[in-house]
Amino acid sequence: DIQMTQSPSTLSASVGDRVTITCRASQSISSWLAWYQQKPGKAPKLLIYKASSLESGVPSRFSGSGSGTEFTLTISSLQPDDFATYYCQLYNSYLFTFGPGTKVDIK
Amino acid sequence: EVQLVESGGGLVKPGGSLRLSCAASGFTFSTYSMNWVRQAPGKGLEWVSSISSSSTYIYYADSMKGRFTISRDNAKNSLYLQMNSLRAEDTAVYYCARGDYDVLTGLMGYWGQGTLVTVSS
Repeated sequence: DIQMTQSPSTLSASVGDRVTITCRASQSISSWLAWYQQKPGKAPKLLIYKASSLESGVPSRFSGSGSGTEFTLTISSLQPDDFATYYCQLYNSYLFTFGPGTKVDIK
Repeated sequence: EVQLVESGGGLVKPGGSLRLSCAASGFTFSTYSMNWVRQAPGKGLEWVSSISSSSTYIYYADSMKGRFTISRDNAKNSLYLQMNSLRAEDTAVYYCARGDYDVLTGLMGYWGQGTLVTVSS
């Protein structure tokens, strides 16, 4: 089975910072990678699909890149609403594995 | 507006069974794949199971295979998860999530608010 890892597990940042989260797959998954944002007590929200496509309604400060085994989620200028946990997810296989998550908190 | 409302969670003893339901509205349910994802207290997201729009394709995470059964009733706009032989480690919030139109990719664009399942004696 393909394993998904994320780094860092926790990230402390300030409003206005550029933030980058990395997701790695244990084998190539082409571009079948999604990113979700989850706030405490809330359901996850889809941000990015197919590694770099922005979901409708998601602010343009979010972007995704990568293919194969290494992917990144970048927030160009961190806003107060962005403090949350971010998960990557392998899809378009028959096992839809999530990464362990990266919590972005206030420095 | 897409709405997904889960129900059926609660307290169950180890070895017991529970059936979760997800009522869908605001879209043509019969044309979308559907998914269950769970989240143990303080932990990350764990994919549970997925079903294609016409129930032709069904997938399960290995740890759920043989104990959980996903199903849907397109006439009732409802998704279900039958959970048997429950263990303490199945304690989690269970989310229903809408998948893609007409294909089962595992991409989850809309989520319900979840229902809590607690397995404890």
